[in-house]
Amino acid sequence: EPEVTQTPSHQVTQMGQEVILRCVPISNHLYFYWYRQILGQKVEFLVSFYNNEISEKSEIFDDQFSVERPDGSNFTLKIRSTKLEDSAMYFCASMMDRSSNQPQHFGDGTRLSIL
Amino acid sequence: EDQVTQSPEALRLQEGESSSLNCSYTVSGLRGLFWYRQDPGKGPEFLFTLYSAGEEKEKERLKATLTKKESFLHITAPKPEDSATYLCAARLNNDYKLSFGAGTTVTVRA
Repeated sequence: EPEVTQTPSHQVTQMGQEVILRCVPISNHLYFYWYRQILGQKVEFLVSFYNNEISEKSEIFDDQFSVERPDGSNFTLKIRSTKLEDSAMYFCASMMDRSSNQPQHFGDGTRLSIL
Repeated sequence: EDQVTQSPEALRLQEGESSSLNCSYTVSGLRGLFWYRQDPGKGPEFLFTLYSAGEEKEKERLKATLTKKESFLHITAPKPEDSATYLCAARLNNDYKLSFGAGTTVTVRA
């Protein structure tokens, strides 16, 4: 069964450094998302992306964050200057189309640890 | 404010002991209610979509139901492999993001 893959599984970075999290969505999916889950808290929406542009973003997704689909398969989340509070699991998700019953399919996440 | 609330936070069951998890939502314009299973260190795994009140979906020992204000996930005769955190999430009318509840962590003892 097709799945969303994320790399790396764990990233350790010094505060203030840039980090890029990578995702390969399911191949025929058109809608892409990033979510994060701070330890012990809810899964929170960050950003949605369609047709090479951001369609919606949350308050968390400030100027330090950016997303890109550099080629036909990868979808990346960049954090420009990491803060301690960026430590979390980051999940990528993809969805085939916007039909009401279409689920988002999630990868297994990247655990980001900021030191 | 739109909200998704799950209860209980944790549930410990004996193998074979059926139970139900609750997901209540106060959202305007629900466009789908989704149940996911999350194992430790993994991403949410899709289980069910429910769209309209009265709808029911089943998969093995799991059955999800939806009313106008809440959804239930019934676990019938659970096995230890059903141990996981179960998440519900709402998709709203003009959004395609998911708003998640905090989850119910189910532990099934043999």
